[in-house]
Amino acid sequence: KAGVTQTPRYLIKTRGQQVTLSCSPISGHRSVSWYQQTPGQGLQFLFEYFSETQRNKGNFPGRFSGRQFSNSRSEMNVSTLELGDSALYLCASSRGQGKEKLFFGSGTQLSVL
Amino acid sequence: QQQVKQSPQSLIVQKGGIPIINCAYENTAFDYFPWYQQFPGKGPALLIAIRPDVSEKKEGRFTISFNKSAKQFSLHIMDSQPGDSATYFCAASTGANNLFFGTGTRLTVIP
Repeated sequence: KAGVTQTPRYLIKTRGQQVTLSCSPISGHRSVSWYQQTPGQGLQFLFEYFSETQRNKGNFPGRFSGRQFSNSRSEMNVSTLELGDSALYLCASSRGQGKEKLFFGSGTQLSVL
Repeated sequence: QQQVKQSPQSLIVQKGGIPIINCAYENTAFDYFPWYQQFPGKGPALLIAIRPDVSEKKEGRFTISFNKSAKQFSLHIMDSQPGDSATYFCAASTGANNLFFGTGTRLTVIP
């Protein structure tokens, strides 16, 4: 069974640009969550989608947005990139809405220059 | 504000030693406490988890100790091996809500 797949693996952007990251959850999983990981801050929750609906949102500015498609695949978008957005962006999927058995992808490493 | 506080930031032990990583929380509504293990270049992977109705849970060489009154929980790794060298994260959540993670502990096990 394939795990959570995130693309691209690495991304380099400049300030002011926008970026879209993609996540394909494990087959059969309907919940997708996104986390930002930075050294010293650990993992910070961005948002969660379940059955194409945003169910929960973390404390991030409106520049961070996401969506989920009918096949459970998800994308997150960051507009007007800032240097501080440089981080590893992790996607995680689970079968239901509970937080047990959360499976993470390997992440997209975003560098903003 | 960090919902879950984790210490130490880094830890070095000899092979066979028992590293202990500690976490503390304030929100008494938390009812699920997992530990995740992350290797370089990989996403975190669920290692072991506990609910507040038990004080200890063991899975192989990994043990979670939970102190509800002190609002603390810890991870013990028995007979640690070089392959255990990784970053460990504790986390907590309420019901079906998102996980709040600690800031991580980088463990190095020296052969």
